[in-house]
Amino acid sequence: GAGVSQSPSNKVTEKGKDVELRCDPISGHTALYWYRQSLGQGLEFLIYFQGNSAPDKSGLPSDRFSAERTGGSVSTLTIQRTQQEDSAVYLCASSFGTGGRSPGNTIYFGEGSWLTVV
Amino acid sequence: AQKITQTQPGMFVQEKEAVTLDCTYDTSDPSYGLFWYKQPSSGEMIFLIYQGSYDQQNATEGRYSLNFQKARKSANLVISASQLGDSAMYFCAMREVVRTGANSKLTFGKGITLSVRP
Repeated sequence: GAGVSQSPSNKVTEKGKDVELRCDPISGHTALYWYRQSLGQGLEFLIYFQGNSAPDKSGLPSDRFSAERTGGSVSTLTIQRTQQEDSAVYLCASSFGTGGRSPGNTIYFGEGSWLTVV
Repeated sequence: AQKITQTQPGMFVQEKEAVTLDCTYDTSDPSYGLFWYKQPSSGEMIFLIYQGSYDQQNATEGRYSLNFQKARKSANLVISASQLGDSAMYFCAMREVVRTGANSKLTFGKGITLSVRP
């Protein structure tokens, strides 16, 4: 498709299990972002990839969270030993470049992966 | 200090009337971009409008316009001729442009709930 694609759309997992969330950005977009949104809350930045630069991991809440981006395209967010407080929607987004004034740098979001830890 | 501030409580507007959603921001970077997103109950984040800090004119996109007051650091969203489908959460966000090309994540406000009354 033409948009940001995320999978799974819904995931229920038991506390202590590991989960992997996948994001396929818009073709040609070099920047990829992961955000987390808890119920009724705003968006919390997790991690940002831009081309071959070192990712900005400043938003990862603990060392149980990690993410990688292979070949500059698809990204996987991994949560190890899940806790109930990890329950949230995990949103992936992508854009061209890192900034500038062009509307082409608009950031587009996927529909999110709804994670429930029971 | 908060980068993006959205302090209005839940907003209500009569169908076909205009409504303004407030957003103030804080940055010391001269180059930045401001975004508004709509999040309906389905959860997806829908891009509405973008304003660059160097743009001379206020951005407009159909029924959406951005009242950009740079000196006041405000970027209010104006929705004209409200429709029932406009009922949603609205998020203001900012991306600071760092010349090294790194660290240009999108920072979000906490959002405003808009309800359109028939």
